[in-house]
Amino acid sequence: GDSVTQTEGLVTLTEGLPVMLNCTYQSTYSPFLFWYVQHLNEAPKLLLKSFTDNKRPEHQGFHATLHKSSSSFHLQKSSAQLSDSALYYCALRTGNTGKLIFGLGTTLQVQP
Amino acid sequence: GPKVLQIPSHQIIDMGQMVTLNCDPVSNHLYFYWYKQILGQQMEFLVNFYNGKVMEKSKLFKDQFSVERPDGSYFTLKIQPTALEDSAVYFCASSPGQSGNTLYFGEGSRLIVV
Repeated sequence: GDSVTQTEGLVTLTEGLPVMLNCTYQSTYSPFLFWYVQHLNEAPKLLLKSFTDNKRPEHQGFHATLHKSSSSFHLQKSSAQLSDSALYYCALRTGNTGKLIFGLGTTLQVQP
Repeated sequence: GPKVLQIPSHQIIDMGQMVTLNCDPVSNHLYFYWYKQILGQQMEFLVNFYNGKVMEKSKLFKDQFSVERPDGSYFTLKIQPTALEDSAVYFCASSPGQSGNTLYFGEGSRLIVV
C-alpha cells in the first residue's frame, strides 16, 4: 500500500552546515509529495510541495526534488540556521480525495 | 496566512463520556480533514468531508466517531463513548480543493481520556 518513510528521530546539526532529511515513498497513484514543518506548539505548515512539471520547489532556502526512479523527495538546504529547528514531516497525497499520508517526522535541531 | 482554529486546545475527559472537538476551517475552503496523532507516532488520517458528506474514512475512524458541519459552522469530530485509546492530539485541516492543493492545519486538540 501507499506509505512514506523518513529519516527517523532526531537530526542534530551545527549552524551553517548543510541539511538533508530523507523521504522515500511507495505510491499506487502518480505521486504528489509535500514537506510540512511544525514548530513547538504550532500547527504544521506547508514548506514545499512537488510540481507535476518536475520543477524543483524552493522555500526559505529549502528545496526538494521528486525522483520517481528512486521514489524519493529528500529535503535539502545548503546552510542550516538556528530558526530551522523544528519537526519536519514528509507527506504523500494518495488517491483522489486529497488525503495525505505522513511519515513519522524528523526533528531537526540546529546548534550554534 | 490562512488559519484553521481548533477548540478546545486541551481536554481531559472520563472514559465513556462524549467529547466534541471543534474546527473552524479557512473560510473559502471546501474539503475538511481530521488526523490523529498519538504521542511519538505519525499523524494518521481519520476522515475527510466534502459537501456535507464523508468522502473517505480510515480503519481508525471507529463507529463511535462521527463528523458533521451543520450550516457551515464548525466542522466537528464527536467521539461517543470515548475510550482510553482515544487519547491523542487531533488535528483538523482544510483545503480549497483536492488535486495538489495544500492542506492547512490547526494547532491540534489534545484529548486525554482517563
